[in-house]
Amino acid sequence: DVKVTQSSRYLVKRTGEKVFLECVQDMDHENMFWYRQDPGLGLRLIYFSYDVKMKEKGDIPEGYSVSREKKERFSLILESASTNQTSMYLCASGLRMNTEAFFGQGTRLTVV
Amino acid sequence: EDKVVQSPLSLVVHEGDTVTLNCSYEVTNFRSLLWYKQEKKAPTFLFMLTSSGIEKKSGRLSSILDKKELFSILNITATQTGDSAVYLCAVPTSGTYKYIFGTGTRLKVLA
Repeated sequence: DVKVTQSSRYLVKRTGEKVFLECVQDMDHENMFWYRQDPGLGLRLIYFSYDVKMKEKGDIPEGYSVSREKKERFSLILESASTNQTSMYLCASGLRMNTEAFFGQGTRLTVV
Repeated sequence: EDKVVQSPLSLVVHEGDTVTLNCSYEVTNFRSLLWYKQEKKAPTFLFMLTSSGIEKKSGRLSSILDKKELFSILNITATQTGDSAVYLCAVPTSGTYKYIFGTGTRLKVLA
């Protein structure tokens, strides 16, 4: 079974802190994604990566950056957390374009 | 602009009922449509549809795609309380790695 693991289920951070969300997949997938999910807005893509050290902006990249130094690991970084970044963050990985993506369990981040 | 719209937004039924969830899409160079079930945490993959008119089935769940009318339906027969979840529809955008998700249908099944 594909396993996508996010480092934390719940996080509480203060405004202005630098926050790291980690994601690891064990299926040698090329593609990895970070989404945030908010009520009424659905899943919105923040960044994705199609190879090591390669990244592309999604629909809402402002305030975020990413790092992919190894194929299995994709990190999302909030440079200076703000309250409007309180959300559920979901990491996903997939083998190829147009095929299914597999999700991690999600990290519920609260910025106070 | 590419978009995916799901209906209804929410639904409450009793155990044993049959439900039909809808997903319509407008995407350039359509390739596939995916259905996910999301309970309290991660969305779990249900189906991927690529061909019109071919039903995919898994237990009490089934789904079909209509590429002419640009929609898909997800049917759940003999619903159980364990079917309570948000059901998400997603379409990969052409030539990219991005998926467009609908906002989901929240299904609640009462005992």
